[in-house]
Amino acid sequence: SQQGEEDPQALSIQEGENATMNCSYKTSINNLQWYRQNSGRGLVHLILIRSNEREKHSGRLRVTLDTSKKSSSLLITASRAADTASYFCATDPNHSNYQLIWGAGTKLIIKP
Amino acid sequence: GAGVSQSPRYKVAKRGQDVALRCDPISGHVSLFWYQQALGQGPEFLTYFQNEAQLDKSGLPSDRFFAERPEGSVSTLKIQRTQQEDSAVYLCASSPPKYQETQYFGPGTRLLVL
Repeated sequence: SQQGEEDPQALSIQEGENATMNCSYKTSINNLQWYRQNSGRGLVHLILIRSNEREKHSGRLRVTLDTSKKSSSLLITASRAADTASYFCATDPNHSNYQLIWGAGTKLIIKP
Repeated sequence: GAGVSQSPRYKVAKRGQDVALRCDPISGHVSLFWYQQALGQGPEFLTYFQNEAQLDKSGLPSDRFFAERPEGSVSTLKIQRTQQEDSAVYLCASSPPKYQETQYFGPGTRLLVL
């Protein structure tokens, strides 16, 4: 069963705009991670935020985590065509052996 | 360095056929995971190894699914008597000893059962 739910399911924006994706989850977690998946390529780890962190940055990526609402957001600033991909949040529940529980993903399309 | 590799990349099987999917993790990575990803969905956990020990196989959907990692490096996921509902992408991931939270994924094996 899947723990996370991404919102929206699909997002289409113009190149240069910012893209925001949200993730909600159900159980308490050790950390939450965001991954990107391009067609034909594997999942690539983008960023990890721990349960005691509220915000994290990596290049054009900004992730927030609200454990009281069991939600996270991923912001991609100044989007590029190469950002076109599916984005997944994955949670590492407290009880797990690093087993990741995944959402269904947000499909992001960047229009040139 | 080399990433996680999987073979074959694509596999077409007739219903009832047995298949074996191979995963070569990154050298030195202790943990290895198998996931199943249906079209348009996120990955679903199948099983987890630490070295050669299979510590969690709770996600394997039936006893037709079997995974092994006999020497703690290469792993094989075997599906016996394949069914159409087994059609999916099978992803392998590994993680290093020190930073086990981050998983490094292979390109996946796309299995189509006819």
